[in-house]
Amino acid sequence: DSGVTQTPKHLITATGQRVTLRCSPRSGDLSVYWYQQSLDQGLQFLIQYYNGEERAKGNILERFSAQQFPDLHSELNLSSLELGDSALYFCASSVGQGAGLLGEQYFGPGTRLTVT
Amino acid sequence: AQKVTQAQTEISVVEKEDVTLDCVYETRDTTYYLFWYKQPPSGELVFLIRRNSFDEQNEISGRYSWNFQKSTSSFNFTITASQVVDSAVYFCALSEVPIYNQGGKLIFGQGTELSVKP
Repeated sequence: DSGVTQTPKHLITATGQRVTLRCSPRSGDLSVYWYQQSLDQGLQFLIQYYNGEERAKGNILERFSAQQFPDLHSELNLSSLELGDSALYFCASSVGQGAGLLGEQYFGPGTRLTVT
Repeated sequence: AQKVTQAQTEISVVEKEDVTLDCVYETRDTTYYLFWYKQPPSGELVFLIRRNSFDEQNEISGRYSWNFQKSTSSFNFTITASQVVDSAVYFCALSEVPIYNQGGKLIFGQGTELSVKP
């Protein structure tokens, strides 16, 4: 158990809908990262927050948005869902804001999103 | 641009065999970090190791060992005396050191699926 929690574990929804994925980082971790894992794209970085502020942005679609709250939990919002958004969405956390000092990223169990 | 290549898509071995998973990376930075993660059939990603670009010493942790060679841009992972529980997908990843708060995203390879048969 990494200490990172994600809810829900599974989510099935229809095209065009909007969903929210939630992540609670390990106690003491200030950075939260979101990644998407799909068969065709592999593991792709989406976005990172550090202590409430956006730190880095990857291949995140405009239909997707995220935020980190004062209690450090994070939410990833996916809207106007398409079939291709079906994937495993991981949240990771680390103490530091980069891969350097205190930069080990620990991953949650993931949320499996199925868009029908 | 950063890139990680794991050329071995699938490897199958018999229990107690040694197996090496290859990882080759590309980066223009002189300072960077390399990682290995394990993804068992249950789906979670388990952190195994982080190594910085200035430390080329090999590392051993139990049956696991890592060989980092900057000259060939490789960070290979060896499992000695493999066990059925080692069956998983293994990912190699690369991250640059953040400058001016640019963050620490991981660039993952495509993964190597290791199957250890009894």
